[in-house]
Amino acid sequence: GEDVEQSLFLSVREGDSSVINCTYTDSSSTYLYWYKQEPGAGLQLLTYIFSNMDMKQDQRLTVLLNKKDKHLSLRIADTQTGDSAIYFCAEIFSGGYQKVTFGIGTKLQVIP
Amino acid sequence: KAGVTQTPRYLIKTRGQQVTLSCSPISGHRSVSWYQQTPGQGLQFLFEYFSETQRNKGNFPGRFSGRQFSNSRSEMNVSTLELGDSALYLCASSLTDSSRGQYFGPGTRLTVT
Repeated sequence: GEDVEQSLFLSVREGDSSVINCTYTDSSSTYLYWYKQEPGAGLQLLTYIFSNMDMKQDQRLTVLLNKKDKHLSLRIADTQTGDSAIYFCAEIFSGGYQKVTFGIGTKLQVIP
Repeated sequence: KAGVTQTPRYLIKTRGQQVTLSCSPISGHRSVSWYQQTPGQGLQFLFEYFSETQRNKGNFPGRFSGRQFSNSRSEMNVSTLELGDSALYLCASSLTDSSRGQYFGPGTRLTVT
């Protein structure tokens, strides 16, 4: 079955780059996503990447996909205190109708 | 456009009761998915509705059910509540499917005592 794994916690200093990593098991995934959840709120879609792409950049966010290793990463440049949140990696399972599987979430702490 | 709204935001119920949660998707969105979020299990997919039909279902017992109305609004129902049902229930909408990402509501925090 499909599974998505993430480390639980990451701490960085303000102004540094953050790299949040994720591994997935479903080789037939077509789309992979990064969501952000702030305290008391729902999830916010940050970006997504199609499985035939290696990289996607959107302002301070860079997504890298290594399909061979089934590894996805999210790099946040110039991390700000407002980036403190939980970041979820997710994939679409392509068997039949689409079902999204989420990782457990990585809590990013930004130290001023 | 207004975002996804969920009501109520907070709910306290006792074991054995039933509960109904409501979700209004973004205008024009026809797909609505429900998730259960707990600290131990993370986000678990409950079901997805599209055009008033359940299109996909996660691995939850039959006590969890849902429906979608012709205006795409959706409700989920949990009968015979158990302590383990305490969670944040999130609703997410998308235009037709989840491939381009989903838009989440703020969630309903359900506490079962």
